[in-house]
Amino acid sequence: EAGVAQSPRYKIIEKRQSVAFWCNPISGHATLYWYQQILGQGPKLLIQFQNNGVVDDSQLPKDRFSAERLKGVDSTLKIQPAKLEDSAVYLCASSLGRVTGELFFGEGSRLTVL
Amino acid sequence: AQTVTQSQPEMSVQEAETVTLSCTYDTSESDYYLFWYKQPPSRQMILVIRQEAYKQQNATENRFSVNFQKAAKSFSLKISDSQLGDAAMYFCAYRSLTQGGSEKLVFGKGTKLTVNP
Repeated sequence: EAGVAQSPRYKIIEKRQSVAFWCNPISGHATLYWYQQILGQGPKLLIQFQNNGVVDDSQLPKDRFSAERLKGVDSTLKIQPAKLEDSAVYLCASSLGRVTGELFFGEGSRLTVL
Repeated sequence: AQTVTQSQPEMSVQEAETVTLSCTYDTSESDYYLFWYKQPPSRQMILVIRQEAYKQQNATENRFSVNFQKAAKSFSLKISDSQLGDAAMYFCAYRSLTQGGSEKLVFGKGTKLTVNP
């Protein structure tokens, strides 16, 4: 079974530039999450999708971050314009829902903002 | 809101020895999952072990076991016969099972485990 796929693995940009990250969840997983993990900290939820609807985006900085999950499968997370404090690993995860409770994570996309 | 606290930023253990990582959490809910996830350097986060709050029996997965104390809101991870491959960041996480509750994982800040040969 294929895992959660993310790209790119690494990205370096200048501040005020834009960047986009892509995630393809495990087939059949209705719930998709984007987490931000700043160095030395635990992951923090940015946004949660159930199929193509947003369930929780309370901690998403909406002035610069946006995310979509068209057709309820893969998802894109965009940052525009980027700030220095956006340097982090962006983790995508998916789950079947409450049945097992477990989230399956991708390898992450590491963003460095200079 | 639920919170998860890991009070040990770093721990070390000798190969083949046993180590225990601590985790406490705060919630007013009665139905939830607790997890320990492992994150090796520059690699993806993987599930180590899971505990359903309604189960009194502590979960065990090979060399990994938990001590779940629901009343004390404590959830520690014991790693027996530590191996070099166990070196990683370990995250404790909480997930609500309450109807209408959030399905997100709430993570602690993590404990960096070093295994010395």
